[in-house]
Amino acid sequence: NAGVTQTPKFQVLKTGQSMTLQCAQDMNHEYMSWYRQDPGMGLRLIHYSVGAGITDQGEVPNGYNVSRSTTEDFPLRLLSAAPSQTSVYFCASNLRGGNTEAFFGQGTRLTVV
Amino acid sequence: GIQVEQSPPDLILQEGANSTLRCNFSDSVNNLQWFHQNPWGQLINLFYIPSGTKQNGRLSATTVATERYSLLYISSSQTTDSGVYFCAPGMSGYSTLTFGKGTMLLVSP
Repeated sequence: NAGVTQTPKFQVLKTGQSMTLQCAQDMNHEYMSWYRQDPGMGLRLIHYSVGAGITDQGEVPNGYNVSRSTTEDFPLRLLSAAPSQTSVYFCASNLRGGNTEAFFGQGTRLTVV
Repeated sequence: GIQVEQSPPDLILQEGANSTLRCNFSDSVNNLQWFHQNPWGQLINLFYIPSGTKQNGRLSATTVATERYSLLYISSSQTTDSGVYFCAPGMSGYSTLTFGKGTMLLVSP
C-alpha cells in the first residue's frame, strides 16, 4: 500500500515556465489537498478537492490550478512560475473531510530561479 | 477560520530529557492530529486524537476539546526526535486541516 505518492521530489524551474506536480493516492480517499510550506509559515492550503470533478480554493490559490478527473489523482499546475512560488509542496488525502485522519506525500521541493 | 497556536516555537533538549508541547485552538474541533516533520522533510503521522489520551511508546498526546488545547509529551527524548512538530485541528463541515506554525525541537546528544 503506497499511500500518497508525489512526483517529482525536486524541481528547478526558470521564471515563466510551467509545470505539473503529480499526486496520487491508493486509499480510495474522497478528499485531497495541496499545501505549501515556507519557513516560519507552517503549512498553508492552496487548493483542495472533495471528490472527482470538484475542486475549491484554499488560503493561497493564486498562480496555481488543479483538476480532479479521478479519485486517485490530484495534480497541481503552475501556469507561469515565479520566484515567490519557491517552496516545499505537500499533497494530502483523507477519507472524508477535516474530521478524518489525513496522510501526506513525501513532498516536492521546488525552486524557481 | 480556526486559529491555531503552538508553543514553544523552539525547544532545545539534552538527550534523555522530557518535554511537553502545547497546541491551543480557537474553536470547537472534532479531531486533532499531531505530525512530526523529520530533518528530511517528511511529515509523519503521530496521533489522531479527537479527545482523551493516546500513547505510542515514548510519546503520548492528550486533547481536551472542551478547553481547546492538546498536549504532546515526549519522554526520554532521543536525537531522532529532532524536527518540527505540528498540530492540526479538524472540524466536521470543513474539508481540510488547519496547521499551527509548529514547534522546532532539537535534541542534542
